[in-house]
Amino acid sequence: NAGVTQTPKFRVLKTGQSMTLLCAQDMNHEYMYWYRQDPGMGLRLIHYSVGEGTTAKGEVPDGYNVSRLKKQNFLLGLESAAPSQTSVYFCASSYPFGDYQKIYIQYFGAGTRLSVL
Amino acid sequence: GDSVTQMEGPVTLSEEAFLTINCTYTATGYPSLFWYVQYPGEGLQLLLKATKADDKGSNKGFEATYRKETTSFHLEKGSVQVSDSAVYFCALSGGRIKAAGNKLTFGGGTRVLVKP
Repeated sequence: NAGVTQTPKFRVLKTGQSMTLLCAQDMNHEYMYWYRQDPGMGLRLIHYSVGEGTTAKGEVPDGYNVSRLKKQNFLLGLESAAPSQTSVYFCASSYPFGDYQKIYIQYFGAGTRLSVL
Repeated sequence: GDSVTQMEGPVTLSEEAFLTINCTYTATGYPSLFWYVQYPGEGLQLLLKATKADDKGSNKGFEATYRKETTSFHLEKGSVQVSDSAVYFCALSGGRIKAAGNKLTFGGGTRVLVKP
């Protein structure tokens, strides 16, 4: 039972380079999310998806693009990396819990540590 | 908009000490409240949750009570262990907007270090 898997775990980029972070979940969850974690700021939502083929902007979407071509995968792209994008990136997926009031429990991957020089 | 404020760390304790991490929130409506824990080098894991006022969430010896009158969800544990060393995040969902995606709003996190 893998849960949420993120690749790669670490990456170093030079300013202006591009890369794609992959998130895969094997729990058949509809909703998926990309967050970034910076010291003292908790997690901030970059983009999210409520189902295959759909994406939406979160709190800090600038400089990132996403795609959800398959239900189990959610890709985060950096077209032209900047030092301000140095961060730890977390992917999550969620499912509804409860009979009357639906609560969505989010499951997180182990993270990708990205440094942009 | 919705927001979560939690005490800044680091919090350093001795084993078997009592732990409290304060969390307050701002939200309209009736949000659900969560505590997530992040162990070193890992992603976040749900620790406990509460979905309505006066609910008490509990797990692994940790407890938190949803207090609507004080808009708080403080985390407590009566006797911590070295293995409880981690970063703890308070979060809410479904406040101002039961939005598409049921997004979480996180506090800044509190690092806890338990010494033997």
